[in-house]
Amino acid sequence: SQTIHQWPATLVQPVGSPLSLECTVEGTSNPNLYWYRQAAGRGLQLLFYSVGIGQISSEVPQNLSASRPQDRQFILSSKKLLLSDSGFYLCAWSVDGSNQPQHFGDGTRLSIL
Amino acid sequence: GNSVTQMEGPVTLSEEAFLTINCTYTATGYPSLFWYVQYPGEGLQLLLKATKADDKGSNKGFEATYRKETTSFHLEKGSVQVSDSAVYFCALSGRAGSYQLTFGKGTKLSVIP
Repeated sequence: SQTIHQWPATLVQPVGSPLSLECTVEGTSNPNLYWYRQAAGRGLQLLFYSVGIGQISSEVPQNLSASRPQDRQFILSSKKLLLSDSGFYLCAWSVDGSNQPQHFGDGTRLSIL
Repeated sequence: GNSVTQMEGPVTLSEEAFLTINCTYTATGYPSLFWYVQYPGEGLQLLLKATKADDKGSNKGFEATYRKETTSFHLEKGSVQVSDSAVYFCALSGRAGSYQLTFGKGTKLSVIP
């Protein structure tokens, strides 16, 4: 069966520090991969998605970036974090094709101080 | 563009009460519809889905029917339990060829003994 792992589960970072969140998927090949942010009391905002290695689509302008160095690895990064980057970050995967459900990891709680 | 509107929460029910969470959508084409559940501190889990008009998705006692004529996908459960306390998200798939899901803002359900 397929599984998705995110780490770390919780992260506290100072303003201006760099960020690297990692997500890996097991049990499937060539998944579509997604990064979402969930701000407190709000819905989900799609940040990036990827349909293949090295292929990244950005949905919102921001100081975050994403990379997909391997088929089942998706990384969310920032060079300098802002206070507004605090939130709950969720990675998800789906099989290729439209109208497919997405399957989520357990998320990373990011607090910026 | 696509959009999902969910009833405002929070919703508080007594154990064994009947649950309805309303969801209506706006979309072009023939999207698939989904309900996700998020337990405290966790990621989202796919609860049920429907891929075409009049389909009924069901899982763990929850049901939702894809109503194209009313553009709705209301979530129902006949008898809620304390363990059903969570945030519920309605979502729809993008247009053909799109990989995005559009989420509602979520409805928080609290079930009290």
